[in-house]
Amino acid sequence: DAGITQSPRHKVTETGTPVTLRCHQTENHRYMYWYRQDPGHGLRLIHYSYGVKDTDKGEVSDGYSVSRSKTEDFLLTLESATSSQTSVYFCAISEARDSGSEQYFGPGTRLTVT
Amino acid sequence: GESVGLHLPTLSVQEGDNSIINCAYSNSASDYFIWYKQESGKGPQFIIDIRSNMDKRQGQRVTVLLNKTVKHLSLQIAATQPGDSAVYFCAENATSGTYKYIFGTGTRLKVLA
Repeated sequence: DAGITQSPRHKVTETGTPVTLRCHQTENHRYMYWYRQDPGHGLRLIHYSYGVKDTDKGEVSDGYSVSRSKTEDFLLTLESATSSQTSVYFCAISEARDSGSEQYFGPGTRLTVT
Repeated sequence: GESVGLHLPTLSVQEGDNSIINCAYSNSASDYFIWYKQESGKGPQFIIDIRSNMDKRQGQRVTVLLNKTVKHLSLQIAATQPGDSAVYFCAENATSGTYKYIFGTGTRLKVLA
């Protein structure tokens, strides 16, 4: 994994509780992403960041918020977890390039909401 | 490890044979495509990419072919090895020049000894 860590790696939480997942990179890449991966679905983008304090919504952003106060950290918060948010969450990073850039993924966080 | 898909299409290949994994994309405005490999319990790993001004690109033991006319992408793996067993999926950028990607659901490759 290209200098990307996620914490925690596993979490079990109860419905209605807030949860924050952390992504940390040591590559100084501009772009950071949060995805969720569920059986039968491809990776789906939740939110992404194109710079410090610059974020935008992805296709499944409802119920999630993000923050990026430093280049190296991108936080994903579930304000009030629901069972439908049980999933594996991946953080990814990419450099800024004019016509596309490969993404490097972290090891994932398995979140179970009971 | 985590299950990335319970009902993924599966390609079974004999060790040493070549593998071809296909992907259809939907967005004619996409101009950048990536193939990823995901092993059980791990994050996706970049394999190879291709831009829309190319039809073919080769890497180490892998080749990606792009057919823009029918919006089709394929990944060829030469001399498939047991370590190639994984889920493979393609990704396309959502629109030209953006860094949002759309991911396919993937194909499971099983290498038979």
